[in-house]
Amino acid sequence: AQSVTQPDIHITVSEGASLELRCNYSYGATPYLFWYVQSPGQGLQLLLKYFSGDTLVQGIKGFEAEFKRSQSSFNLRKPSVHWSDAAEYFCAVGPPSGSARQLTFGSGTQLTVLP
Amino acid sequence: DVKVTQSSRYLVKRTGEKVFLECVQDMDHENMFWYRQDPGLGLRLIYFSYDVKMKEKGDIPEGYSVSREKKERFSLILESASTNQTSMYLCASSPQGQGGNSPLHFGNGTRLTVT
Repeated sequence: AQSVTQPDIHITVSEGASLELRCNYSYGATPYLFWYVQSPGQGLQLLLKYFSGDTLVQGIKGFEAEFKRSQSSFNLRKPSVHWSDAAEYFCAVGPPSGSARQLTFGSGTQLTVLP
Repeated sequence: DVKVTQSSRYLVKRTGEKVFLECVQDMDHENMFWYRQDPGLGLRLIYFSYDVKMKEKGDIPEGYSVSREKKERFSLILESASTNQTSMYLCASSPQGQGGNSPLHFGNGTRLTVT
């Protein structure tokens, strides 16, 4: 069975600092990988996704993520964090073939941005 | 822009009441989902529907049922609300035919409190 681990429950960074949120997955082959963001009082919004090809994926709001097969990781990065990036971030994994219902979410990482 | 609308942002119900959570999407998506979001647990799938009147149980269907009489509307029903169903409920939709790689479009959530 597939699974997703986000080891950091809560991360605090200063505005302007760089950010890396960790995501590790367990799956027998290369899955489809996603990062979603949930701003306070909002639903989840897709930041970026990886299906195949270039392992460095660019997303919205200046975020990027790198797929590392050898480490079963898909970490999210941003070079300079803005106060508006304070939110909860979810990594998710889905099977390359199969039903959309098989998407599995991590438990989330809450990001606090200090002024 | 895809819009997924959940009819209530906040609901307070009493134990034993029958509760209806409504969700409407305007993008003619075949797939619709109900998730439950709890701190530290991420998102857990309650039910999934891939067409009108078609549904599949998710990971935590106990105590819930769903109805999809029209393509755009997906209702979650708590037959007899209990305090352990106090949670944030998220509705999502996605187009069919993309298997596990369908990015989901989320509503803003309904925070349900059962007293």
